Amino acid sequence: DTAVSQTPKYLVTQMGNDKSIKCEQNLGHDTMYWYKQDSKKFLKIMFSYNNKELIINETVPNRFSPKSPDKAHLNLHINSLELGDSAVYFCASSNRGNTDTQYFGPGTRLTVL
Amino acid sequence: AQSVSQHNHHVILSEAASLELGCNYSYGGTVNLFWYVQYPGQHLQLLLKYFSGDPLVKGIKGFEAEFIKSKFSFNLRKPSVQWSDTAEYFCAVNARSGTYKYIFGTGTRLKVLA
Repeated sequence: DTAVSQTPKYLVTQMGNDKSIKCEQNLGHDTMYWYKQDSKKFLKIMFSYNNKELIINETVPNRFSPKSPDKAHLNLHINSLELGDSAVYFCASSNRGNTDTQYFGPGTRLTVL
Repeated sequence: AQSVSQHNHHVILSEAASLELGCNYSYGGTVNLFWYVQYPGQHLQLLLKYFSGDPLVKGIKGFEAEFIKSKFSFNLRKPSVQWSDTAEYFCAVNARSGTYKYIFGTGTRLKVLA
């Protein structure tokens, strides 16, 4: 059983395009996150939603827009993709607010050409 | 602001060698501490965590970590590494108040030679 799933696993696209990444968790967690991992493996939080409410919004370009239709889903839409957006994007979820263990999805490798 | 430092960026060991990876954090309040591991081509998974109680925490696969509050450290150890421990290791901190934001260290790439 997949706990945190992401689609697609790989995404190759041209600069200027708009793309979305979807995330779903079946753990019953109340909090979900998006992280960006760059080529040097540095992992940085982008957004966090608790019970569908945005609680963390780091300094990311407003071309990135998260959307949480319900507690089990957190999608990431990216407008006007740039070369620097190339990275692996990880979705994660946790329970009891943000104090518990994070469960990560398999990642989406985004390549912008 | 919170920050996490991992001083060893790349570590190469032979099998059966002992491992210690350093992690220091900067935050004045109470924190939860974590070590996550990312095996090649895989997602991050929890290795161990500390919330309270015994500062020596045991995790999966023979790993342990010790929380030393006075040194703001949470170093990861394993007495004898295996080839299968080759991975990227991330220390993470999250404050128990405010936004509870997770802060990850920059990671340590461990390569174990068979």
